[in-house]
Amino acid sequence: AQTVTQSQPEMSVQEAETVTLSCTYDTSESDYYLFWYKQPPSRQMILVIRQEAYKQQNATENRFSVNFQKAAKSFSLKISDSQLGDAAMYFCAYKTINTGTASKLTFGTGTRLQVTL
Amino acid sequence: SAVISQKPSRDICQRGTSLTIQCQVDSQVTMMFWYRQQPGQSLTLIATANQGSEATYESGFVIDKFPISRPNLTFSTLTVSNMSPEDSSIYLCSVERTSGGFYNEQFFGPGTRLTVL
Repeated sequence: AQTVTQSQPEMSVQEAETVTLSCTYDTSESDYYLFWYKQPPSRQMILVIRQEAYKQQNATENRFSVNFQKAAKSFSLKISDSQLGDAAMYFCAYKTINTGTASKLTFGTGTRLQVTL
Repeated sequence: SAVISQKPSRDICQRGTSLTIQCQVDSQVTMMFWYRQQPGQSLTLIATANQGSEATYESGFVIDKFPISRPNLTFSTLTVSNMSPEDSSIYLCSVERTSGGFYNEQFFGPGTRLTVL
């Protein structure tokens, strides 16, 4: 079974600065997806960014980028130019490549990000 | 994207009673998922609900405790039966939707916050 580990329960960053959230995972599969989800206090889970394991290029979405190290099974999220609205719980998640049937997301324990002025 | 609504948004219940949570999606989807998020914890998949067939439960979750209905392609219910304080959690509905190619993105509802006294 796959496992996802987030070793940072809480992180803090000053507004406009950069912060990196860590995630490692364990799997025996060669193809899979990795995700970062954001859960603000309102509880609505929002997809921040996704990475396909077969792609060597790191995914980027505006101020959000990942550092995907497949051999090390590491998938960190970098948030640049942090904004107050980035304050939330961030979950790293793993998903098997869809083979025609739905497959579940396996979540890490989350990192609570605080953004200070 | 997918617009998902859940009812109720929150409830406080007495132990021994049951609560049914509704999940409505703005368009037809094949698979719907129910997750539980215990206080301060990550998300754990309870079951996968496919329209027209029995739900598939994850290890540690049973149909007698969490019966699920899926009467059509836009609606599902999760019942939390014979509740105890340990059932106090946020329950989230989720759906998959194709987001280009073979990739199915997973969207989440706002959640139902359940407190059992």
